[in-house]
Amino acid sequence: DGGITQSPKYLFRKEGQNVTLSCEQNLNHDAMYWYRQDPGQGLRLIYYSQIVNDFQKGDIAEGYSVSREKKESFPLTVTSAQKNPTAFYLCASSIGEWETQYFGPGTRLLVL
Amino acid sequence: AQSVAQPEDQVNVAEGNPLTVKCTYSVSGNPYLFWYVQYPNRGLQFLLKYITGDNLVKGSYGFEAEFNKSQTSFHLKKPSALVSDSALYFCAVRADRGGSQGNLIFGKGTKLSVKP
Repeated sequence: DGGITQSPKYLFRKEGQNVTLSCEQNLNHDAMYWYRQDPGQGLRLIYYSQIVNDFQKGDIAEGYSVSREKKESFPLTVTSAQKNPTAFYLCASSIGEWETQYFGPGTRLLVL
Repeated sequence: AQSVAQPEDQVNVAEGNPLTVKCTYSVSGNPYLFWYVQYPNRGLQFLLKYITGDNLVKGSYGFEAEFNKSQTSFHLKKPSALVSDSALYFCAVRADRGGSQGNLIFGKGTKLSVKP
């Protein structure tokens, strides 16, 4: 069953804590993306990666970090520097940078 | 700069009636346009896209969209709405390869409510 998986579905973060959101795809896509969704604001791009071992900042990268060590995996770390992390986080992938993006089911991050 | 506007926060339609969800865009170069749908607490599902060619694009679940270059619009339509179409709809745009920026820009979303 091909697709994009994100885990966990819900994640709770304490003050000063770093947390990592998982994104895995078995579609053999080269490009992967992380978006943040807040109510009434649509989706905003955090980071994207066009190829393994390379990634670029999106519009709201501050307080976040990523890695792309494997083609199928693109984890996102929400660091303690991100002061307002409560949001719905969506991972996406595409065959190439210019192709249609397909989305995972999302992770909802809440702050305790 | 690229931008997308979805002028209606919410659209209400009776089941069986036609529906339209509006989208206008601004982009340098030729636009690539997309529609996605999101059900509560789920990821986005791809509905359709316009790259080039016929201005009327047909997509999943009976949806279609009409590209209008002069009005810079890409409205989503369906001839007969279903209650199950109730969801949040996002329009997105980016420039073609000759444009200044390749990232996908999303509108703020339009909530579609279809009543029985």
